[in-house]
Amino acid sequence: DTAVSQTPKYLVTQMGNDKSIKCEQNLGHDTMYWYKQDSKKFLKIMFSYNNKELIINETVPNRFSPKSPDKAHLNLHINSLELGDSAVYFCASSTTAYEQYFGPGTRLTVT
Amino acid sequence: GQSLEQPSEVTAVEGAIVQINCTYQTSGFYGLSWYQQHDGGAPTFLSYNALDGLEETGRFSSFLSRSDSYGYLLLQELQMKDSASYFCAPNTNAGKSTFGDGTTLTVKP
Repeated sequence: DTAVSQTPKYLVTQMGNDKSIKCEQNLGHDTMYWYKQDSKKFLKIMFSYNNKELIINETVPNRFSPKSPDKAHLNLHINSLELGDSAVYFCASSTTAYEQYFGPGTRLTVT
Repeated sequence: GQSLEQPSEVTAVEGAIVQINCTYQTSGFYGLSWYQQHDGGAPTFLSYNALDGLEETGRFSSFLSRSDSYGYLLLQELQMKDSASYFCAPNTNAGKSTFGDGTTLTVKP
């Protein structure tokens, strides 16, 4: 009965490749988010969707493209991966912005 | 502009009380949330203050002063398992929460 799940948990890939991370929530929340956490633990919002509609789009390279096929799913596709993309990517969901439920994270390593 | 400040590290001993301060500057401020993140884990929600004053949840309390753009998380009767990073996250009326670097709390025996 996992609340917010992400796949894969680990992703190791080479520079220039394209990869996707998937997220699903079974909490019935309307809003989903993608965050990036770097090695210094800085947790930064990237995108937010509400009922499949993009509502927050921070300053993120356009190599990153989120897609929400329905309100329970939010995927993140990354094109032309770079070394600086190495980080932990967290998906989250919420009913209210102040109480978010995070997935376990996807540790992306670009070599 | 927007800013968020927390101490980067705090160390305390088991059984002690520790306070983690947070000052923020956020347009459209709505309230202040606190999250805990253990090493290798995901952030988990601890508390939320929309109004000035103290909110208590077991050993943890959170305080907000909107006029001072300031809040704190108070952890009492510290346990080893409280060693983690703690994030204050101001949220806005646009539905966005800002997390920043967090505070790493180390609890020593």
